[in-house]
Amino acid sequence: SQQGEEDPQALSIQEGENATMNCSYKTSINNLQWYRQNSGRGLVHLILIRSNEREKHSGRLRVTLDTSKKSSSLLITASRAADTASYFCATSGAGSYQLTFGKGTKLSVIP
Amino acid sequence: GAVVSQHPSRVICKSGTSVKIECRSLDFQATTMFWYRQFPKQSLMLMATSNEGSKATYEQGVEKDKFLINHASLTLSTLTVTSAHPEDSSFYICRGGNYGYTFGSGTRLTVV
Repeated sequence: SQQGEEDPQALSIQEGENATMNCSYKTSINNLQWYRQNSGRGLVHLILIRSNEREKHSGRLRVTLDTSKKSSSLLITASRAADTASYFCATSGAGSYQLTFGKGTKLSVIP
Repeated sequence: GAVVSQHPSRVICKSGTSVKIECRSLDFQATTMFWYRQFPKQSLMLMATSNEGSKATYEQGVEKDKFLINHASLTLSTLTVTSAHPEDSSFYICRGGNYGYTFGSGTRLTVV
């Protein structure tokens, strides 16, 4: 069943600007992950944050996790046209490799 | 890193025919493979979990007789869409369970 809810559903920004996407979930988790999907393609794993972590960085990506609010955010700094894609959060429970995906945010970065 | 190879990437078939989609783990042994379906502009929905050497586990609402899953070896899982209909047209994607986060590249199925 769907657990994550991303907002906004669509986001359009100019190249160089920062993009922030949010994700909320409903049940307790072991970790939360963010994926990127280019149109009609497979998913690329971006970053994983564990339930006992609050913030994580990877290059231009910054992910936060607030387990008390059951929410996470993905920040992409200094966006590029190549960042144009759909971004999904996915949660995983303890002891399970099963992932539950959110509805995704479609990001468009205008050159 | 762990790689899952999925074929075909695109397939067009006539209504009533069957289509087989393969996912191979290239550099690891996948005792578990997850199969997802994604309709246009929607998220991924888990269809079933295949386990090597045993029966697949299907999610509620997914017809096991229509979506046949075989996981006969540690490196190969297949999904066969039987008697395909236009409403089965979708993007199907697999994920290797052992390493958790390795997806195949997906299969775009169009049933005409």
